[in-house]
Amino acid sequence: AQTVTQSQPEMSVQEAETVTLSCTYDTSESDYYLFWYKQPPSRQMILVIRQEAYKQQNATENRFSVNFQKAAKSFSLKISDSQLGDAAMYFCAYSRAQKLVFGQGTRLTINP
Amino acid sequence: DAGVIQSPRHEVTEMGQEVTLRCKPISGHNSLFWYRQTMMRGLELLIYFNNNVPIDDSGMPEDRFSAKMPNASFSTLKIQPSEPRDSAVYFCASRPTTGGRNIQYFGAGTRLSVL
Repeated sequence: AQTVTQSQPEMSVQEAETVTLSCTYDTSESDYYLFWYKQPPSRQMILVIRQEAYKQQNATENRFSVNFQKAAKSFSLKISDSQLGDAAMYFCAYSRAQKLVFGQGTRLTINP
Repeated sequence: DAGVIQSPRHEVTEMGQEVTLRCKPISGHNSLFWYRQTMMRGLELLIYFNNNVPIDDSGMPEDRFSAKMPNASFSTLKIQPSEPRDSAVYFCASRPTTGGRNIQYFGAGTRLSVL
């Protein structure tokens, strides 16, 4: 079974600084998708960024980018110029055949 | 589009009572998913439907849980009888079965408290 591991239960960063959240996963498949979802205190699950495993180029969405290392099965999220609104739980997720498998999450705190 | 709509937002009930959670997926989305989020187990997939047909219910914890999708715009998750350990946040998500970049869109969740 596929598993997703987020080894950092909590992270904090100064406003305007850069932070990287780690994620590793385990799969024997070659074709799959990886996601980062954000869950603010409102509880809503919000898609941050998506990566297709067959693409070597790392996905970027404005201040958010990933470092996708397929051989190492690593998928980290970098947040540049951190803002107070980035404070949330961040979940890494793996998907193949429609099902999403989530990591345990990383709580990100932004210090003003 | 209004997004995935779940109701109620909060539900408080007593042990032994029947609980029904409701979900309206995004129009045009053919796949619907029910997840449960707890501190101990994180986010778990309970069941998902394609074109109103249940495809995989292996995550449903026990027979007390049942889910239906009578049409493309409505699904329910029922717990009967409810127990305190069912207390969690329940999410519904939807996505197009084909295309759609494999992205699931989540509702705001229902926080269930069973006393």
